[in-house]
Amino acid sequence: DTAVSQTPKYLVTQMGNDKSIKCEQNLGHDTMYWYKQDSKKFLKIMFSYNNKELIINETVPNRFSPKSPDKAHLNLHINSLELGDSAVYFCASSSKDRAEAFFGQGTRLTVV
Amino acid sequence: QKEVEQNSGPLSVPEGAIASLNCTYSDRVSQSFFWYRQYSGKSPELIMSIYSNGDKEDGRFTAQLNKASQYVSLLIRDSQPSDSATYLCAALSGGYNKLIFGAGTRLAVHP
Repeated sequence: DTAVSQTPKYLVTQMGNDKSIKCEQNLGHDTMYWYKQDSKKFLKIMFSYNNKELIINETVPNRFSPKSPDKAHLNLHINSLELGDSAVYFCASSSKDRAEAFFGQGTRLTVV
Repeated sequence: QKEVEQNSGPLSVPEGAIASLNCTYSDRVSQSFFWYRQYSGKSPELIMSIYSNGDKEDGRFTAQLNKASQYVSLLIRDSQPSDSATYLCAALSGGYNKLIFGAGTRLAVHP
């Protein structure tokens, strides 16, 4: 029973392509996040949704567009991929009352 | 000053010793802190959270929070080679449960 699951686990694509990463959580949490971990292992928040509403939008290029069809799902679409987008993208979720975030297994994106 | 700072390590300790991992934070974060463990190629896994001054123990792990000095630490007693991982310190910043992470400290426990 995977609590936070994201697909795909690996994604290799060429510059200029558009790609999506999907995330689902079965923990009943209200809040979901996208984090990016770069090659230096620094983990940084990108977006957060609370019950389908965007509540955190860090300084992220417009090419990145999150979408939350319901509170259990949060997808990330990336347009016109660039070499610098190569990283591991983690989905996470937390409940409304507790700040502890639980992470998915990550999607390693490689742009070539 | 960064919001959450950690020494990147590596911190090398012998098996059975106490590993001490430290984290300092700025005034820009709130008073809720979390320690995550991340094995190479895996996702961060929550170990402990601490919200009030003092110590909090869970098995071999003890989290310590000192608000006056603005540091948080994680002690791992009886360190095992399986504890070898990167340990991430995180703090809440602003509202909406936004976590700010430190750069992580790599711990190596050698037999």
